[in-house]
Amino acid sequence: NAGVTQTPKFQVLKTGQSMTLQCAQDMNHEYMSWYRQDPGMGLRLIHYSVGAGITDQGEVPNGYNVSRSTTEDFPLRLLSAAPSQTSVYFCASSYSFQDRTPGIQYFGAGTRLSVL
Amino acid sequence: GENVEQHPSTLSVQEGDSAVIKCTYSDSASNYFPWYKQELGKGPQLIIDIRSNVGEKKDQRIAVTLNKTAKHFSLHITETQPEDSAVYFCAASWGDDKIIFGKGTRLHILP
Repeated sequence: NAGVTQTPKFQVLKTGQSMTLQCAQDMNHEYMSWYRQDPGMGLRLIHYSVGAGITDQGEVPNGYNVSRSTTEDFPLRLLSAAPSQTSVYFCASSYSFQDRTPGIQYFGAGTRLSVL
Repeated sequence: GENVEQHPSTLSVQEGDSAVIKCTYSDSASNYFPWYKQELGKGPQLIIDIRSNVGEKKDQRIAVTLNKTAKHFSLHITETQPEDSAVYFCAASWGDDKIIFGKGTRLHILP
């Protein structure tokens, strides 16, 4: 059981470079999301998607883009990397309850990103 | 806006003692309250959850209690063991696809 797969595990970028963090899940979950984790800040929601073709902003969306062309994949794009985007990024997927409340989040192993 | 506050940020307990972590939430529409454990270098994993129509749930050494009137919920770990050392996150979610996490509690189990 693969669950949620994130690639790459580590990445170093220079300021201004762009890149895409990949996320794939094999549980047929409709709900997928991206978080960043910084020391003392917990998990902050960047973007989320409730199904293919639908995305929405979370708490900290600036500087990031997402798309959801399939149920399985939810890539996160950094348009022009900045040192403030140095963080650990987690992708998660879940089912939703009937009232659209997100259920159990299944997290990937994370991508550790450094922007110099 | 919606908020989940978690306390304490760091907690040290002697092995065998109990640990309690508390969270408060701001949106009274919240109806699902999961707890996650994150070990070093890994993604968070669910350890227990509770829905708003239940006041308490227990699973072996861990339990969660919910007080909807006061808008707070707590994680209780009894008979703590070294493998309980980790970072714990509470979260609250509700309809319209909303979920918010607390800032986390680093739990140290002392020998």
